[in-house]
Amino acid sequence: QKEVEQDPGPLSVPEGAIVSLNCTYSNSAFQYFMWYRQYSRKGPELLMYTYSSGNKEDGRFTAQVDKSSKYISLFIRDSQPSDSATYLCAMSALQSGGGADGLTFGKGTHLIIQP
Amino acid sequence: EADIYQTPRYLVIGTGKKITLECSQTMGHDKMYWYQQDPGMELHLIHYSYGVNSTEKGDLSSESTVSRIRTEHFPLTLESARPSHTSQYLCASSDWTSGSPDTQYFGPGTRLTVL
Repeated sequence: QKEVEQDPGPLSVPEGAIVSLNCTYSNSAFQYFMWYRQYSRKGPELLMYTYSSGNKEDGRFTAQVDKSSKYISLFIRDSQPSDSATYLCAMSALQSGGGADGLTFGKGTHLIIQP
Repeated sequence: EADIYQTPRYLVIGTGKKITLECSQTMGHDKMYWYQQDPGMELHLIHYSYGVNSTEKGDLSSESTVSRIRTEHFPLTLESARPSHTSQYLCASSDWTSGSPDTQYFGPGTRLTVL
């Protein structure tokens, strides 16, 4: 079993819909959770990160972490065609020295917003 | 937008050639990384560095080598390219310090094709 599981999609939704992207993980030591967006032929760009459990909102994007279920989500409200991209989740554990080091990535979900 | 650059963006080369993929960042980050990404697959860490004169191998076995003589520069070299090296190579840097998340910023990538 991989440490991070993410449905690769593609996920196709109409413009204006609420999109839910999800990852599950198996390593209970993960404490930092990130979402990256990657457009075709570009490098990933950091969208949001959260620490431990709870929600974090940034504009149309909301990141949610449920550590009890080992499940994280990214919600996109009022989706736009420009949101069409691959979304990768990433997470890291705290080192014994107190710092977080290294990221474990999901495969990414390919999202298509239909105009 | 992150100030991290990769050259060339695209490279097509014959088997047996020596190649160097360049990566530079102007953010003063100590930590830098090289990832390999194939279509529909997760990012695989091949090398990373904590700072000048530091280089470490990542999770994915690689025939490439790296060097870190200057903080801003982290080139990756393949001594003898093979078709199995065909992939997208992504460079990243991080402002990671002890106690903070390892938020990584990516370059645009180099798409390498070995014939």
